[in-house]
Amino acid sequence: NAGVTQTPKFQVLKTGQSMTLQCAQDMNHNSMYWYRQDPGMGLRLIYYSASEGTTDKGEVPNGYNVSRLNKREFSLRLESAAPSQTSVYFCASSQPGRVGFFGQGTRLTVV
Amino acid sequence: QKEVEQDPGPLSVPEGAIVSLNCTYSNSAFQYFMWYRQYSRKGPELLMYTYSSGNKEDGRFTAQVDKSSKYISLFIRDSQPSDSATYLCAMSPYSGAGSYQLTFGKGTKLSVIP
Repeated sequence: NAGVTQTPKFQVLKTGQSMTLQCAQDMNHNSMYWYRQDPGMGLRLIYYSASEGTTDKGEVPNGYNVSRLNKREFSLRLESAAPSQTSVYFCASSQPGRVGFFGQGTRLTVV
Repeated sequence: QKEVEQDPGPLSVPEGAIVSLNCTYSNSAFQYFMWYRQYSRKGPELLMYTYSSGNKEDGRFTAQVDKSSKYISLFIRDSQPSDSATYLCAMSPYSGAGSYQLTFGKGTKLSVIP
């Protein structure tokens, strides 16, 4: 039982490049989330999808787009990467009564 | 003022000690309260989940929520070296859609010394 799977695990981008972070969950959860974790800032919500077909902004959505591809998959896209987007990105999923199952993270460096 | 405040530590205790970790918050809309454990270079792992005020116990872990004081705590009894990790508190308002938009504290780094 894999839980929440993120790909890739590591990535280095040049400023201005684009990329998509992939996330899939196999727990049949309705809701999925993207967070970023920065030293001294804690985890902050970027976007979330309460259910298939819906997406909403979180605390720090600027510079990102998301797609809820189906119930299992939720992707995060950086259209034009900036050094300020260097971070560790976590995908998570939940359903009522079962809160916040996190993936292992994607370490992104923008140079 | 940040919505959730958590002392970042670091906190160092001897094996077998009782550990107390705390968070305060300012948003009265928070209804769900969680504690996560995060090992270095890993994803957060849910330890405890509490709805509204009260206590919850799971093995060596006890979570307390005092909504009147906007204060939550996690107690670890008989601490072990394997408990060495960063502990994150997190909170969410009620969502009719059943989703949880978590606001996290910055985390407290705990070291349990054998």
